[in-house]
Parts: sequence; C-alpha cells; structure tokens
Amino acid sequence: QKEVEQDPGPLSVPEGAIVSLNCTYSNSAFQYFMWYRQYSRKGPELLMYTYSSGNKEDGRFTAQVDKSSKYISLFIRDSQPSDSATYLCAMGAGGYNKLIFGAGTRLAVHP
Amino acid sequence: GAGVSQSPRYKVAKRGQDVALRCDPISGHVSLFWYQQALGQGPEFLTYFQNEAQLDKSGLPSDRFFAERPEGSVSTLKIQRTQQEDSAVYLCASSSDLSETQYFGPGTRLLVL
Repeated sequence: QKEVEQDPGPLSVPEGAIVSLNCTYSNSAFQYFMWYRQYSRKGPELLMYTYSSGNKEDGRFTAQVDKSSKYISLFIRDSQPSDSATYLCAMGAGGYNKLIFGAGTRLAVHP
Repeated sequence: GAGVSQSPRYKVAKRGQDVALRCDPISGHVSLFWYQQALGQGPEFLTYFQNEAQLDKSGLPSDRFFAERPEGSVSTLKIQRTQQEDSAVYLCASSSDLSETQYFGPGTRLLVL
C-alpha cells in the first residue's frame, strides 16, 4: 500500500461546478500538506499549503486537512476550463520537507 | 525573477548510454530536490541537497544514478548505462530554506530506446 492514495480519475465536470478532490495517507508523521496543479508537459505549480489540521481558503480554492482521519481535500468553486489539469496532493513530515506525492487526479472542465 | 530551469527539456538516449540532466535553481535557494515522475504517476523523491551537501540520496533507484551540486547552485543528475525503465520526467525543485515551498522546474523528459 502506498503512503499516499489518490484517485487518478479522470474527473469530468461542466463549467461552474464545484469540484472535490481528495487524498488519504497512512503516515501519521506528515505535518505539511500541499496541493499542486500540473498542466500537460509542465512542472507542478503550488496551489495550496496547509500546516497540520484545518481549513485554508484562497479565492476559488479551499483546502481541508483532517489529521484524525488522515484525509485531505481540495475544493474548487466555480470551476473554469482553465482549471483542466492534473492535481497532485503532496505531504511532508518536516525537517527538509521531502515531499511524498499522490498519483494525481486528472480533471477536465468542459464549457 | 527567473524560476527553476532545466535542460535539456527532452532527451532521447539509446539503452546503455550515459546522460546528464541539469538544473538551475532559483538564485539564492539553499535546498534543491530531484524527483522522478513516471507516466501517469506523481513525482517520487530521488535526492536532496542543502547547498553543496547531499543530505539524502535514499530515493536514487540504483548506483547508476548520481547527483552533484559542487558549488551549491547548479545541480546535475547523471544516469549511467541507461535502461528502458529509466524513461520518465525528471523534475528539479528548489526552496529558500528548510520549510519553504518547493518551486518546480518544467522537467526533463527522458526516453530510453
């Protein structure tokens, strides 16, 4: 079993929909939780960064971390075609913050 | 300012050839990471540098893989005697200190025939 599990999708939604992406993990030492967006043939781009449990909101994006359930989520409101990409969850246990990534979920937002 | 840059962007190698992949981190960034991303998968950690010191190489898949950062800036990932299973995207990331965000480069797409 992988340390971080993420449904690879693909997920297809209409423009304007609310998108929910999530990951589960097994290592209770993880303290840092991130969501990256990766467009085709590009490097990952950081979207959200959360330390420990709680919620964080940035524009149309909301990240949630539930350490008791070892479950993290990313919500995208009013999804746009430009949101079409692969979304990667990533986690670190502290120190120099080596990141452990999920497999990524492919999202397609159609007009 | 400029982000993380990597070269070459694409590399085709014949099985058995040696390859060298270059990473130019963001200026002043102390930490540098290499990751390997197989098709349809998330990046997997290979190695970590703090300045010129390689503090963690636990993710390097075999002794054919070697990384260096001799002056604490540019880094090179070298793969000797390439195999088909080495085909992947190799990503470099840098960060300004131990707990800062990692900024990724565009990656080098390696295809071994």
